[in-house]
Amino acid sequence: EDKVVQSPLSLVVHEGDTVTLNCSYEVTNFRSLLWYKQEKKAPTFLFMLTSSGIEKKSGRLSSILDKKELSSILNITATQTGDSAIYLCAVGRSNDYKLSFGAGTTVTVRA
Amino acid sequence: DAGVIQSPRHEVTEMGQEVTLRCKPISGHNSLFWYRQTMMRGLELLIYFNNNVPIDDSGMPEDRFSAKMPNASFSTLKIQPSEPRDSAVYFCASSLMGSTDTQYFGPGTRLTVL
Repeated sequence: EDKVVQSPLSLVVHEGDTVTLNCSYEVTNFRSLLWYKQEKKAPTFLFMLTSSGIEKKSGRLSSILDKKELSSILNITATQTGDSAIYLCAVGRSNDYKLSFGAGTTVTVRA
Repeated sequence: DAGVIQSPRHEVTEMGQEVTLRCKPISGHNSLFWYRQTMMRGLELLIYFNNNVPIDDSGMPEDRFSAKMPNASFSTLKIQPSEPRDSAVYFCASSLMGSTDTQYFGPGTRLTVL
């Protein structure tokens, strides 16, 4: 059975801090790893990673995949209260179109 | 684009009643997914369709749950009879099969079964 494990489960930081979230996976026929942000509604897509070592960046958020270590990190620099959310990691397989989701990391940014 | 549309946004019903959740995927997307999210179990895939055909329903918890996709622009998830443990947020998501794994989620239906 596929496993996607995120750590930490939750964290609290102050505005301006940098946050690093981890996602590790055990998946057969790995194709891609995705990060989503979920506030009080639906998950919204952040990044999709398929190749090791290539950083994807969007504003203060960045992410990188390490296929050797079967893991990915999501970094948020200069955090703002609007970054408070649950960050979900999901993994896709090459033989179907399902995504397996981790439990998420709840990030709380205090002013 | 309007994104994935779900209705109703909130549903409160009594145990034993039938519940029908509706989803309209993004136009042109040919894969559709139904998820359930709870605090205890996180986001769970219930069923997914490719080109209106159910591909994998192994996540459907019981026979009380059924899903249909009669055409490319509409899907339903039905629970009959509903039970209090079915209370959750139900999300529908769609993606462009063969192009990307990125799934776009609807706003969800918050179901409360009393």
